[in-house]
Amino acid sequence: GAVVSQHPSWVICKSGTSVKIECRSLDFQATTMFWYRQFPKQSLMLMATSNEGSKATYEQGVEKDKFLINHASLTLSTLTVTSAHPEDSSFYICSAKKGDRGIEQYFGPGTRLTVT
Amino acid sequence: AQSVTQLDSQVPVFEEAPVELRCNYSSSVSVYLFWYVQYPNQGLQLLLKYLSGSTLVKGINGFEAEFNKSQTSFHLRKPSVHISDTAEYFCAVSVANQAGTALIFGKGTTLSVSS
Repeated sequence: GAVVSQHPSWVICKSGTSVKIECRSLDFQATTMFWYRQFPKQSLMLMATSNEGSKATYEQGVEKDKFLINHASLTLSTLTVTSAHPEDSSFYICSAKKGDRGIEQYFGPGTRLTVT
Repeated sequence: AQSVTQLDSQVPVFEEAPVELRCNYSSSVSVYLFWYVQYPNQGLQLLLKYLSGSTLVKGINGFEAEFNKSQTSFHLRKPSVHISDTAEYFCAVSVANQAGTALIFGKGTTLSVSS
């Protein structure tokens, strides 16, 4: 199998605080993980590509100082939303590829972030 | 650059009717193509993928898709839908031979199956 988990599945935080979302590959090693953001009734937009042991590559328009990504091990990547604002409320989904040459991405169940 | 166009934002059908969800892509290089399904408040589940070989790809839940290089299309079909097929469907593309590349998604098609 290829299972990816996310924690938490749902989080509410106050404006100005930070929140960390974890993405784990449970039964495989993931050299590369991706973070996507999805607004209601819309498609997934790639935020950043995370490679184990190196800095994440952010897509144009994504603030790297606001969305901190860490990929410290082959099974864990974290996304920290710093100084959250209501407009950061969204559904955040991670995905992972197996090994160095994996083609298929395996998606986590997503994290619903609500900033009040 | 690659792009994906899903031609229908919403497709309403009756149960047991056939359905086709259309997807066109734009790329100057070889690509891999995918269809994902998303149920409310859940992540994405892979329905099927085209990497190489036979252009007719069969996936889970009775879905299939055909890769047409000349028309740059990858339409998803099911001969008889069920109520449980009601969901959001996304077509996606990634660049072949680049393992580190991310997926580019279409805007999605909402399939609504009614009795």
